[in-house]
Parts: sequence; structure tokens; C-alpha cells
Amino acid sequence: DAGITQSPRHKVTETGTPVTLRCHQTENHRYMYWYRQDPGHGLRLIHYSYGVKDTDKGEVSDGYSVSRSKTEDFLLTLESATSSQTSVYFCAIMSSGSTDTQYFGPGTRLTVL
Amino acid sequence: AQSVTQLGSHVSVSEGALVLLRCNYSSSVPPYLFWYVQYPNQGLQLLLKYTSAATLVKGINGFEAEFKKSETSFHLTKPSAHMRDAAEYFCAVSGDNNNDMRFGAGTRLTVKP
Repeated sequence: DAGITQSPRHKVTETGTPVTLRCHQTENHRYMYWYRQDPGHGLRLIHYSYGVKDTDKGEVSDGYSVSRSKTEDFLLTLESATSSQTSVYFCAIMSSGSTDTQYFGPGTRLTVL
Repeated sequence: AQSVTQLGSHVSVSEGALVLLRCNYSSSVPPYLFWYVQYPNQGLQLLLKYTSAATLVKGINGFEAEFKKSETSFHLTKPSAHMRDAAEYFCAVSGDNNNDMRFGAGTRLTVKP
């Protein structure tokens, strides 16, 4: 257990509304990641953070923004949700003691109607 | 960039039979390779990882994987399947940049009684 929680765990929203997902970690890890999981695609990286206020884009960053104002929280925002953003979103951390391995949170299932 | 191909989106075995899940990778640098397991409605759990220390890697739950550079493969095996092994399995690769991990599309393992 890498001490990662995600909230909410489930959310249904409508097209065009803003949505923010939260990832919280309790172990002071520097690196945090947001992925989306879709059938047939595995997991794809959206954004990641390498420290407070330090973020970078991943493979599928269009339509998403992130913020990290403190070490323990990494927020993913969909400014104007679209149906193509219906997915399961996972947060991950890279363990400070094992700098090549990512550990995952329980996921957030987001449905955009 | 690295990439991973998992051969077979679904694999079905009988309880007690050999489990073989196939993964081939592409990487321009020496890769780090991972297998993760995902049980229904849960996050991904690390099964094992290869980081160049040994080509045969033993993981949790009786799984192991062998790195074969000549075949660019990292297949996952278990001698005897249990019902509790039914899950989805993901192979992943990263290279110099551990922030660019790429996942395969996943293989769903079914275990028949």
C-alpha cells in the first residue's frame, strides 16, 4: 500500500461541465502521475509532476490540466468535459526508495453524458 | 519512445495448468520492464520488475518472467494456475526517462475450474 487515495471514486457529469479529480498521498513522494485506462489501450499517461508546481505533459494531455500546490495533492482538471473523456483515471506515485517503479491508487470512474 | 505489445487480449486456462502471458517490447535503450495485475474494480498491483540485475525475475503469487534480449520478450509464467489468478495483466516498459512508462493493452486471464 503506497498510501494513495483518489476522490471521488465515481462521478457522473454532463458534457461541458468542469471536473476535478484529486489524488492524495501520505508518504511525501516527489513524483506523481495521472493515467487514463480505456479498453484496448491499457494505461496512457496524461500528465505528471516532479515536485510542487512542477508538471509536464504526457502522451494524452489534450483537454486536461493539472496542479500541484503541495506535495501530497495532485489535481487533474477537465475544463470542459467531453464524452471521449469517459474513462477510469488512475493516479500513481514513484516510490522514493525505488526510483523505477510506479504504484497506483484505486482509480476514479468518470462518466461524461 | 518505448512500446509494448501483449499477444492475446484473452487467455483461458484450466486450474492447475501452466499460465503463459506474452509480452514483447521495443526500446532504443536498455529497458526497465514490469508486469502489473489488476483485479476487478481495483488499481494496478506490481507483480514483478526487471531492472537488469537478473534475467529471470521472480514476483509475487508464484509468477515469474524471463527477459530475453534476443527476442525482445518478457513473458510472464506461472506453473500452476489458481482461481484467484483470474484478473487482467499489464506489461509495461520504461527507458532512461522513468516518467515515460508505456503499457500494453492488457491480457485478461480466465481460470476454469
